[in-house]
Amino acid sequence: DADVTQTPRNRITKTGKRIMLECSQTKGHDRMYWYRQDPGLGLRLIYYSFDVKDINKGEISDGYSVSRQAQAKFSLSLESAIPNQTALYFCATSLAGTDTQYFGPGTRLTVL
Amino acid sequence: KNEVEQSPQNLTAQEGEFITINCSYSVGISALHWLQQHPGGGIVSLFMLSSGKKKHGRLIATINIQEKHSSLHITASHPRDSAVYICAVRKNTDKLIFGTGTRLQVFP
Repeated sequence: DADVTQTPRNRITKTGKRIMLECSQTKGHDRMYWYRQDPGLGLRLIYYSFDVKDINKGEISDGYSVSRQAQAKFSLSLESAIPNQTALYFCATSLAGTDTQYFGPGTRLTVL
Repeated sequence: KNEVEQSPQNLTAQEGEFITINCSYSVGISALHWLQQHPGGGIVSLFMLSSGKKKHGRLIATINIQEKHSSLHITASHPRDSAVYICAVRKNTDKLIFGTGTRLQVFP
């Protein structure tokens, strides 16, 4: 079984809809991250969380919100989706004191 | 200007060739990562470097801190090495800054 899972894997939605992307991990890591990937751009950090009570904005948090429901779960919400949020979204985890991040399989989101 | 620059953006090779992918950065860093993104989208970490050189199988990663430069080498390349290779650096924070990736295609 995958250590970091994301649901859904693909989603097509319409402008203005509220969307939630979910990430779960069984690695026991305390740190979790949400990134988006666009063609020709590097991965960009949306939000990150170093533990359940710690949520921080990344470089492109506008239009997004997150919830860390438990150590193992970190959800990303698009309150009112817009077409330029069409992208590949990745969740990642890491253990405090270490550098390596472990990525989920990605969610391909299309906003029409 | 991006803080992390990779070259080339695209690379094609014949099976068996020696491959070099370069990463230059413009900021002080505490570590540099090389990651591989498979055609299906999944991302895996290959190396983390803070100095010197690391080797894993046919992959070798080097870093020159003074020159702010790292290279990823693939010896005896194989079609299964076809992927996007991503360089990422950690500044003196806990966040990574990613390059835009190098797309490698290895043909039989």
